[in-house]
Amino acid sequence: QQQVKQSPQSLIVQKGGIPIINCAYENTAFDYFPWYQQFPGKGPALLIAIRPDVSEKKEGRFTISFNKSAKQFSLHIMDSQPGDSATYFCAASESSGSRLTFGEGTQLTVNP
Amino acid sequence: ETGVTQTPRHLVMGMTNKKSLKCEQHLGHNAMYWYKQSAKKPLELMFVYNFKEQTENNSVPSRFSPECPNSSHLFLHLHTLQPEDSALYLCASSQEQGFGANEKLFFGSGTQLSVL
Repeated sequence: QQQVKQSPQSLIVQKGGIPIINCAYENTAFDYFPWYQQFPGKGPALLIAIRPDVSEKKEGRFTISFNKSAKQFSLHIMDSQPGDSATYFCAASESSGSRLTFGEGTQLTVNP
Repeated sequence: ETGVTQTPRHLVMGMTNKKSLKCEQHLGHNAMYWYKQSAKKPLELMFVYNFKEQTENNSVPSRFSPECPNSSHLFLHLHTLQPEDSALYLCASSQEQGFGANEKLFFGSGTQLSVL
């Protein structure tokens, strides 16, 4: 019930491609869905987040798409760059709770 | 930098050693967290402190002992660890635990721990 399933585990794209990372959850009480980006040797950092009252949120080249009925959300990176190469984690939590449940992570490589 | 500093960055210890990990945040936050990051696994929440009080212990073995002397400092004391405890240990902080608190976690760069 508390799991967040993330796929794929790893992803390689060419510069300018649009990598898509998917996450699925079971707990219908989740109402906050952030994505964290982690570069090697660094801790994760909040990238973008969405709440279920909207189906899409865009910040720069990063877009979250949210499908409440399917209990799925995804991260799209437009015009990907080598500097986007990192590990991306989706997560979910309940506003009334204290715990973020993370996905397993996706290692993204953007080739020049 | 994120405002959360962890030391040491790397630690190698034997199973009989005692060591401590240190975390300091300069963000004025009131909640601090320890997470364990293992390869190809979700980040595992270990402990949470809110206003210096421990509010969560996620069934962590007693060989891990947290300490939070004030809202800016967090320690993780380690003793008689096992090789499977080798992982990246991340400290994080947020404004406050509770409603909306998870809106933004600020992570340190972690301590890469190897247990021989």
